[in-house]
Amino acid sequence: NAGVTQTPKFQVLKTGQSMTLQCAQDMNHNSMYWYRQDPGMGLRLIYYSASEGTTDKGEVPNGYNVSRLNKREFSLRLESAAPSQTSVYFCASKATLSGNTIYFGEGSWLTVV
Amino acid sequence: SQQGEEDPQALSIQEGENATMNCSYKTSINNLQWYRQNSGRGLVHLILIRSNEREKHSGRLRVTLDTSKKSSSLLITASRAADTASYFCATDASGTYKYIFGTGTRLKVLA
Repeated sequence: NAGVTQTPKFQVLKTGQSMTLQCAQDMNHNSMYWYRQDPGMGLRLIYYSASEGTTDKGEVPNGYNVSRLNKREFSLRLESAAPSQTSVYFCASKATLSGNTIYFGEGSWLTVV
Repeated sequence: SQQGEEDPQALSIQEGENATMNCSYKTSINNLQWYRQNSGRGLVHLILIRSNEREKHSGRLRVTLDTSKKSSSLLITASRAADTASYFCATDASGTYKYIFGTGTRLKVLA
């Protein structure tokens, strides 16, 4: 029962470098999400994908791009990392359009120096 | 700004006491969910309440929803040390597929 799997779990980047966070779910969910959580804070929505082939901006999309590669996979890309993007990133998925539980991955700790 | 805001930001109680935390939101919703996060881990779903429901129970959890005030409360009865965690509410604004989380309440239950 893998659920939502994120990789990598830990990453250190230099300012200006790029990287992609990978996320896959094996629950046949339509909706997928990327959130960031700063220390002592709540989660802020970066991007979401209501269904395969669609993506939409969340609360804090600047500096990020996403790709819904197929129904299982939703990746988050930082094109030119900045120290302000140091955070814990969570991928999540949900079954239907409304009313179902959101399942979270275990998080990816990203530090930009 | 965020859809949901919890209060208090932090709460410290003795084991066996009840813990109450509140969530306020800004727009019409389809449902409201509460999640728990242990330190350094992902979030785990606790309970969902739909916009046409006023109260819901699950074990030691009781959730209320007042759509006229755009607020919800989570009550944990007979708390245990293992309930120590951060608790977040999440809402989906009507007509969207976005789930927005609040700022969270950090609960510490002292043994």
